[in-house]
Amino acid sequence: KAGVTQTPRYLIKTRGQQVTLSCSPISGHRSVSWYQQTPGQGLQFLFEYFSETQRNKGNFPGRFSGRQFSNSRSEMNVSTLELGDSALYLCASSSDMNSPLHFGNGTRLTVT
Amino acid sequence: EDQVTQSPEALRLQEGESSSLNCSYTVSGLRGLFWYRQDPGKGPEFLFTLYSAGEEKEKERLKATLTKKESFLHITAPKPEDSATYLCAVQAQGSGTYKYIFGTGTRLKVLA
Repeated sequence: KAGVTQTPRYLIKTRGQQVTLSCSPISGHRSVSWYQQTPGQGLQFLFEYFSETQRNKGNFPGRFSGRQFSNSRSEMNVSTLELGDSALYLCASSSDMNSPLHFGNGTRLTVT
Repeated sequence: EDQVTQSPEALRLQEGESSSLNCSYTVSGLRGLFWYRQDPGKGPEFLFTLYSAGEEKEKERLKATLTKKESFLHITAPKPEDSATYLCAVQAQGSGTYKYIFGTGTRLKVLA
């Protein structure tokens, strides 16, 4: 069974630009969550989608947005990039609320 | 406020030297506690889920235990390939849904 796939693996963007990250969950998993990981803050929850609906949202500014498609694939968008947005962005999928999260290998975003 | 604290931040062990990692938590409405292993440049890999105090789970050289306030990840006779960052996360009941809170991890280095 294929794991969670995130693309691209690496991105370098300039401050003020926008970026879109993609995530394909494990087949059959309908919940997709996004996390930001930085050395100082650890994993911070961004949002969670289930059956194309945002079910939960973390404490991030509105520049961070996401969506989920009917095939459960998800995208995350960050607009007006800031230097502090440089991080590893992780996507995780799960089959239901009682199952653990399964993570992809992330997208490393560098903002210059 | 819901909080997860892991200690120590970093740990160096000689091969074969057993030790324990600690995860203490303060959450309302604990649904489950999860342990993950994260290798450099990769996403967290699921290890264990614990649901109630007194529960234990084992996998190879790892054993996870849970009390009402903390969890321990015991590593018996570690090998260099056990070197990684170990993350603890709790799943807690939120308003109408649930949320995950991650600790900042323990960086384990096992020397040959």
